[in-house]
Amino acid sequence: KNEVEQSPQNLTAQEGEFITINCSYSVGISALHWLQQHPGGGIVSLFMLSSGKKKHGRLIATINIQEKHSSLHITASHPRDSAVYICAVETSGSRLTFGEGTQLTVNP
Amino acid sequence: GAVVSQHPSWVICKSGTSVKIECRSLDFQATTMFWYRQFPKQSLMLMATSNEGSKATYEQGVEKDKFLINHASLTLSTLTVTSAHPEDSSFYICSASLGGSLAYEQYFGPGTRLTVT
Repeated sequence: KNEVEQSPQNLTAQEGEFITINCSYSVGISALHWLQQHPGGGIVSLFMLSSGKKKHGRLIATINIQEKHSSLHITASHPRDSAVYICAVETSGSRLTFGEGTQLTVNP
Repeated sequence: GAVVSQHPSWVICKSGTSVKIECRSLDFQATTMFWYRQFPKQSLMLMATSNEGSKATYEQGVEKDKFLINHASLTLSTLTVTSAHPEDSSFYICSASLGGSLAYEQYFGPGTRLTVT
């Protein structure tokens, strides 16, 4: 069993739909990161959170430490949101352990 | 936000040669830099953690003599793949962080695609 599990692995949505990607982890963490990887490979850090909820534009990330679970929500999805979304948990020494990613495709 | 660059963005080399990849933090001083490898359709795997002025800490299964890491300054870390083989072909990504033991944001470079022929 991986330390970080994401679901779904693949997600196809229509433009405008509300999207949720889930992440569960099994280890103690100091923080959880949500990352976005575009087809060219470049990675953008979307959120780093250790409790509660963060919002940036149309993106919302929540974390429940007791349940070891986090969700990434995208409101009013757009084709430009198409990318791989990766959940990563941070343990001691800032080490990141990554989930396998969720491939999101938003169709116009 | 903070910017991390990598050079080169892609490289093709012959089997047996060595390749150096640079990772620079452009507008901040990075106490810690991380090197990751990503094979096609797989997630990132941490290779090593590098703190300025000290030896890198390698993850289990990563050969330190094959993947030489130098973190000579607070803005530059280099990864040298020595005696590269086709199985070393991968996407190498670095990230830079302000901190070590605390949870600091990591800023990722754009990656370097290495192809060994």
